[in-house]
Amino acid sequence: GENVEQHPSTLSVQEGDSAVIKCTYSDSASNYFPWYKQELGKRPQLIIDIRSNVGEKKDQRIAVTLNKTAKHFSLHITETQPEDSAVYFCAASSSGNQFYFGTGTSLTVIP
Amino acid sequence: ETGVTQTPRHLVMGMTNKKSLKCEQHLGHNAMYWYKQSAKKPLELMFVYSLEERVENNSVPSRFSPECPNSSHLFLHLHTLQPEDSALYLCASSQERGGTEAFFGQGTRLTVV
Repeated sequence: GENVEQHPSTLSVQEGDSAVIKCTYSDSASNYFPWYKQELGKRPQLIIDIRSNVGEKKDQRIAVTLNKTAKHFSLHITETQPEDSAVYFCAASSSGNQFYFGTGTSLTVIP
Repeated sequence: ETGVTQTPRHLVMGMTNKKSLKCEQHLGHNAMYWYKQSAKKPLELMFVYSLEERVENNSVPSRFSPECPNSSHLFLHLHTLQPEDSALYLCASSQERGGTEAFFGQGTRLTVV
């Protein structure tokens, strides 16, 4: 089955700096890669996703890049703000298959 | 509000009790999931239902019993749980199994005493 690894497990950045979280996957059949943000005591919510036919996707301060050959994808958050502090999960899946989640990254943005 | 509702939000139960968690979605999704989230651990998939049929059971102990009576409702029946079963139980749904966005409920915080 699929194996998703996520790094780092914790990340602290100064407000205004950029944050990068990286994930690798093992199954070349995976073609959908969502990123979820989970604030303390709340449900995970999708913040951005990318499909395998696209190399990069951007939504305001958030971007995701995908390298299918190397089987890795990354989340980039620019101009970080304190409200970006949360746990971020990457996932990989394909149609008809389950979601395989990474172990999560706890991001702290220091004001 | 994402359209996936879980009840109760909090549950404290003794090891000899029987209780049920409920999940409801009216998004027209065909797949529903139960996940367990423990402190400092990743999301652990427990069960997957697609079109009301269980398609995956990730070696979950029999003290957890899922039920999917229709495409909008999913239950997790609990009996004779252990303290280590204390966790946040999250329900999710997606249009199809995999390949599309999963919407999560707010979870049930379960404490087994």
